Amino acid sequence: EVHLVESGGDLVQPGGSLRLSCAASEFTFSYYEMNWVRQAPGKGLEWVSYIGSTDDTTRYADSVKGRFTISRDNAKNSLYLQMDSLRVEDTAVYYCARDRKRDFGSGSTFDPWGQGTLVTVSS
Amino acid sequence: DIQMTQSPSSLSASVGDRVTITCRASLNIIRYLNWYQQKPGKAPELLIYGASNLQGGAPSRFSGSGSETDFTLTISSVQPEDSATYYCQQSYMTPLTFGGGTKVEIK
Repeated sequence: EVHLVESGGDLVQPGGSLRLSCAASEFTFSYYEMNWVRQAPGKGLEWVSYIGSTDDTTRYADSVKGRFTISRDNAKNSLYLQMDSLRVEDTAVYYCARDRKRDFGSGSTFDPWGQGTLVTVSS
Repeated sequence: DIQMTQSPSSLSASVGDRVTITCRASLNIIRYLNWYQQKPGKAPELLIYGASNLQGGAPSRFSGSGSETDFTLTISSVQPEDSATYYCQQSYMTPLTFGGGTKVEIK
């Protein structure tokens, strides 16, 4: 069964940094594009970032552009999100999600999702 | 950015009812539209991709339709386990955007 496990969420002060990780298993990680999606407490879903299968293409939501950096290590089957200059409004559960674009041909489709890791930005 | 507008924001239905949720895109996204189900405290799960394709393992009572700017998720006979929040998402272009969600409660 395809499995994604996020880690690294924590309580951090505004202006601080955090690095999230997502460990992938039971699929050929290097074949798939990947994404980060977040959900603020009690709110809806917000796409954060995308990375191509070979790390050559990245995309960001305007709300995080210039502060967050997505990366991957295909040898370690791992996805990362470096979060700098954190703001209170970045408080959310962060999910990593596999992108099924190459399987479905229907654009970036998230399946499956990890269980999420909570990032809290507060003084 | 493409705005995705879902309606209603919440609904209450009885077991066996037919439930319809709509999603409108602010511009033509052809059929680049996905639906997800999220239960409380859980990660979202893919239900429908490409507007009308049922994801493997999803119950056949779920169906999707529509094209261009107007899309619909239908539950033909709602069951207690369908109590959840449903989100549409456009996959036409970045930034990828979601609708605000529809919370389905079972009476």
